[in-house]
Amino acid sequence: AQKITQTQPGMFVQEKEAVTLDCTYDTSDQSYGLFWYKQPSSGEMIFLIYQGSYDEQNATEGRYSLNFQKARKSANLVISASQLGDSAMYFCAMRVNNQGGKLIFGQGTELSVKP
Amino acid sequence: DGGITQSPKYLFRKEGQNVTLSCEQNLNHDAMYWYRQDPGQGLRLIYYSQIVNDFQKGDIAEGYSVSREKKESFPLTVTSAQKNPTAFYLCASHRQGRTYEQYFGPGTRLTVT
Repeated sequence: AQKITQTQPGMFVQEKEAVTLDCTYDTSDQSYGLFWYKQPSSGEMIFLIYQGSYDEQNATEGRYSLNFQKARKSANLVISASQLGDSAMYFCAMRVNNQGGKLIFGQGTELSVKP
Repeated sequence: DGGITQSPKYLFRKEGQNVTLSCEQNLNHDAMYWYRQDPGQGLRLIYYSQIVNDFQKGDIAEGYSVSREKKESFPLTVTSAQKNPTAFYLCASHRQGRTYEQYFGPGTRLTVT
């Protein structure tokens, strides 16, 4: 079965420090995509970063990077130089090939950045 | 600016009433999706549509209905048959062939009492 697991319900980080949010996935497909979204208290899902299963290099987008370890089926999000505005829920998701390319989501990690 | 709009932001209904949630996109995306989010949970797929006049059930379609008469619009009706309709509903869209693009609207928070 295809599944996303986020084992950290909540995380704290000091402002300006880096933080890693964990994500493991399970799929038998060879072709898939992995996403990270940020959900602030307003509820909107904000796309952060994407990693394709065939991408050889880890994805980066500004302060966000994705530590992709295919053999271990992990896709951890690294946020460098945390800011107070980074406080939010973070969801890892996987695109599956059936059901129109839907996304399967993990339970989320609530990140709190301390001043 | 291109994007996805959902209205209203908050919606209140009495039990037994049908209610329709709006989703409009001007991104020229082919595929559109409806997800449901319950407190402390990730999103689950209700319905999706890859082309006008065609749509398929997702993982939790019971008690919901949709239509796709225009490429830009994908309204969701929450019927009285949905046992636990109170939730946060998010609409998303995706351009076929652009795997990394799936964008979400701001969501509608539905409360049924």
